[in-house]
Amino acid sequence: DAMVIQNPRYQVTQFGKPVTLSCSQTLNHNVMYWYQQKSSQAPKLLFHYYDKDFNNEADTPDNFQSRRPNTSFCFLDIRSPGLGDAAMYLCATSKARNNEQFFGPGTRLTVL
Amino acid sequence: QKEVEQNSGPLSVPEGAIASLNCTYSDRGSQSFFWYRQYSGKSPELIMSIYSNGDKEDGRFTAQLNKASQYVSLLIRDSQPSDSATYLCAVIGDYGQNFVFGPGTRLSVLP
Repeated sequence: DAMVIQNPRYQVTQFGKPVTLSCSQTLNHNVMYWYQQKSSQAPKLLFHYYDKDFNNEADTPDNFQSRRPNTSFCFLDIRSPGLGDAAMYLCATSKARNNEQFFGPGTRLTVL
Repeated sequence: QKEVEQNSGPLSVPEGAIASLNCTYSDRGSQSFFWYRQYSGKSPELIMSIYSNGDKEDGRFTAQLNKASQYVSLLIRDSQPSDSATYLCAVIGDYGQNFVFGPGTRLSVLP
């Protein structure tokens, strides 16, 4: 089945220790998104790729970076995680920007 | 600033009743509208998309769109306890701008 896969599902890191979250998709969608979601809040868009074109949201901290080495994979790098970065990180894909988005299962990040 | 608003709830309905979830949006140029269901600790799951004024039905779910009133709703007929979740409304503005999610409405279906 075509799907969006995120690894790991749970990630524990220490304050300031870099961490990378992975997303892959078999949908062959052009657009890949990264969202941060904290408890009882709506998902907050961090950035997205349209093909290789990177689009950063204005309020995304510099601490968050992303890479998309090919159509199938996208990575979220958190360079120096703080306690406030503990959240669920969601990857989503869509065929085009104005299409519905399909979400992966998410990675729950804990910062100690 | 583009905004999407929903009642945060919780909205409680008895099993078998109709649950009505509402969403308003500020960008009059918005063209695409989506409803997602999110269980606690899980990721959002697409339930319905709607693009034209009127009703769109899929099983027990009906989405209603009124662009003049900038209003989109989701009706869940014959509500089940398994429908208990947070329902997120998402809107895409004109020119294919990114999703704007509403804060979500928490629905509780009581057995």
